[in-house]
Amino acid sequence: EVQLVESGGGLVQPGGSLRLSCAASGFTFSDHYMDWVRQAPGKGLEWVGRTRNKANSYTTEYAASVKGRFTISRDDSKNSLYLQMNSLKTEDTAVYYCARDQHSGWSNWFDPWGQGTLVTVSS
Amino acid sequence: QSALTQPASVSGSPGQSITISCTGTSSDVGSYNLVSWYQQHPGKAPKLMIYEGSKRPSGVSNRFSGSKSGNTASLTISGLQAEDEADYYCCSYVVFGGGTKLTVL
Repeated sequence: EVQLVESGGGLVQPGGSLRLSCAASGFTFSDHYMDWVRQAPGKGLEWVGRTRNKANSYTTEYAASVKGRFTISRDDSKNSLYLQMNSLKTEDTAVYYCARDQHSGWSNWFDPWGQGTLVTVSS
Repeated sequence: QSALTQPASVSGSPGQSITISCTGTSSDVGSYNLVSWYQQHPGKAPKLMIYEGSKRPSGVSNRFSGSKSGNTASLTISGLQAEDEADYYCCSYVVFGGGTKLTVL
């Protein structure tokens, strides 16, 4: 069974840091791009960023709202994806999902998604 | 990039069909990158329902279908069932729509 399980969420003060993890199983993790998507309470989905696979040099992309503060990394030997979040702001409060990013031609889609982990930024 | 435009809410009675629109521009929805659609029940993770504009993943009911005309993509759900009540999101590349709450009356 293809599965993604996030961990590491919690309460952090503004300006603080937090590292999220996503453990993958049931598929060849190293072959795939992986993404983080977040959802603020009562709001819609917002793409956070992605890491490409080894064949594409593990390059990363970020949403403008997190660029320079968040860093995505991966460890293919551990089938794991990470999101290092620094300089956190109250507006970063959200459930953070990891998702496998699949491509065909010009199109991409996210499947599956993890269950999410809640990050609360508050003093 | 701006979020794609979806209606905030749609509703229908059991057995009816509904359509959710997703409007973008020639740079996203109208481009070669075909839209994907996600269903999200309260407190749950999103679930892929349609990819590449009109393809259904294994296990997704054939009551769900996707299409595109110009800069607008659409998700149609036929034979509405109570379990279809959820939020639905479209996505082009990494840009999501604002979401549509489907109510089954």
